Formats: sequence, C-alpha cells, structure tokens
Amino acid sequence: RKEVEQDPGPFNVPEGATVAFNCTYSNSASQSFFWYRQDCRKEPKLLMSVYSSGNEDGRFTAQLNRASQYISLLIRDSKLSDSATYLCVVNLRGSQGNLIFGKGTKLSVKP
Amino acid sequence: DAGITQSPRHKVTETGTPVTLRCHQTENHRYMYWYRQDPGHGLRLIHYSYGVKDTDKGEVSDGYSVSRSKTEDFLLTLESATSSQTSVYFCAIRDGTSGSYEQYFGPGTRLTVT
Repeated sequence: RKEVEQDPGPFNVPEGATVAFNCTYSNSASQSFFWYRQDCRKEPKLLMSVYSSGNEDGRFTAQLNRASQYISLLIRDSKLSDSATYLCVVNLRGSQGNLIFGKGTKLSVKP
Repeated sequence: DAGITQSPRHKVTETGTPVTLRCHQTENHRYMYWYRQDPGHGLRLIHYSYGVKDTDKGEVSDGYSVSRSKTEDFLLTLESATSSQTSVYFCAIRDGTSGSYEQYFGPGTRLTVT
C-alpha cells in the first residue's frame, strides 16, 4: 500500500465551482501535513500546511482527520489560474524532515 | 521566492558518462534535499543533507552520490548515467530552526540519458 494516496483525477470543473481533493496516508507516525501545488513543467510550491484544527487561506480550506488518516483540500470559487496538480505531502516523525509525496491530483478549471 | 537555483536546467548525456547537478541556495538553510520526479510516481527522495559534510540516503539512492562542502551548495552526481536515470531532478531546502518541516523547491533540472 502506498504511503500517501490521492485520486489522480483529472478533475475538470467550470470556473466558480467548488472542488474537493482527498488524500489518505498509511503511516500513523505522520506528524506534519502539507498541500503543494505544481504547475506543468514547474517545481512544486507550498500551498498550505494542514493543522489538526483545520485552516483556511482565502478560497482554500484544509482539513486533517488523524483518526481516519485523511487530509482534504477544498477550493471555493475556482479560477482558471487554479489549474494545476495538487500534491498531498506528509512528514514522518523522526525522519529528519523527509517528506513523502502523493502522486498528485490534476485539476483543470474551464471557462 | 526562496533563493534556490539549479544548474544545468537541461542536460542530455550518453549512457555511461558521469553527470553532476548543482543546487545553490542563498537562504543559509541547514537542510537540503534531492528528489527525482517521474511519470506515475510522486517525488522520490534520492539523498539529503542535514549540514555541511552530513548526508544520508533516501528512498532511491542507488546510482547516485552527493556532496556538501559548503552550506550553500549541494551536488548530486551520477557516476555512470543510465537511461533509467532520465528524469526531472528537484532540489529543496528547509530551514529547520523553527521546527517547521516545510520545504522549498528549486526550478528543476531535466536530464535525458540516451
């Protein structure tokens, strides 16, 4: 079983839609959680960290459920510029900060 | 944007030749990482460094070596390149002083081994 699993998509949504991405992780020693965004042929960029209490940054909301080992990202009012691949990322306790990446979920926002 | 550069940005080389990729940072961060990204796989860790001259292996370290003689530079060497090492290579950095595990990535190097 892969350590971080995501639906690969693609998710094709119209502008203005709300879209949700889900991610599950298998290692209970996971201690830090992130969503990164990666544009085509570019480097991953940190979108947001995910905290146990949930956190919001503008149109983006991230949730963490430790009991279910599940992370989510909600994007409201989708923009064309949100089109990208979204990577779910975890860090294991005691791993020197090494990150484990999901394969990503591709989002395409259409006019 | 974090001050991370990678060189070269693109390289085509032949099987069996040595290749060195360079990652340079201006942030004075302690931790540096090399990943590779291939279709059908997430980013996979090759090697990482937790200080000058302090390095360790990642998930896919076979065929790769690294060196870090200065805080700002982390070199990845393919001693004898193989076609399976055709990939996009990303360097990342992490501060480590604030307890944060966020990593910031360089622009990547596209390597083709023919």
